[in-house]
Amino acid sequence: LVLTQSPSASASLGDSVRLTCSLTRGHSNYGVAWLQQQPERGPRFVMELNADGSFDRGDGIPDRFSGSSFGAERYLTISSLQSEDEADYYCQTWATDFWVFGEGTKLTVL
Amino acid sequence: EIQLVESGGRLIQPGDSLKVSCVASGFNITDNFMSWVRQAAGGGLEWVSFISHDETTRYADSVRGRFTISRDNSKNTVSLQMRSLRVDDTGVYYCASGMPSDHWGQGTLVTVSS
Repeated sequence: LVLTQSPSASASLGDSVRLTCSLTRGHSNYGVAWLQQQPERGPRFVMELNADGSFDRGDGIPDRFSGSSFGAERYLTISSLQSEDEADYYCQTWATDFWVFGEGTKLTVL
Repeated sequence: EIQLVESGGRLIQPGDSLKVSCVASGFNITDNFMSWVRQAAGGGLEWVSFISHDETTRYADSVRGRFTISRDNSKNTVSLQMRSLRVDDTGVYYCASGMPSDHWGQGTLVTVSS
């Protein structure tokens, strides 16, 4: 079970960006969690995203953050980008005996 | 308000032991999965261990047999006892609660170096 993320993404202030987390083949029924890590800070839970595309945001996460799913792909979309959205974004999933993190995507807000 | 506060990280020599702890407030640790995740400088997040509400424990391959997770319900605290530490165990150790982890601490730095 491996999660694959692009190393980097960028978008302009006020625009939208979609980040992708890809599950390995055969694990398309797994949900994921999305985490945000701003520089020099601990991770922050953004949302739990299910395989059917339903999602639940964490405490205080604005509705500019949304999730969606298609097959083995899990997406995090951030709209109306703000400067404070510049951060590393990780996806995470879990099995009975272990957890897995993706390698993270560094989002730059231009 | 849910808070997780880690402590115990420091500079330690290879081969030595160290215990890091996480005090939780705002909820009971017995009701939740509690986990440890670490991050090397400039690196990504790496799951280390979790303990479930029924005290089932699991470990990453890289630490199994060397690290032990435990909890003290009376102190609402989760700890990670680390033995036979190696240079590549260096990093910030985060405590997190929930499955998935919906609350995180700010971390404690463990540096393994001679």
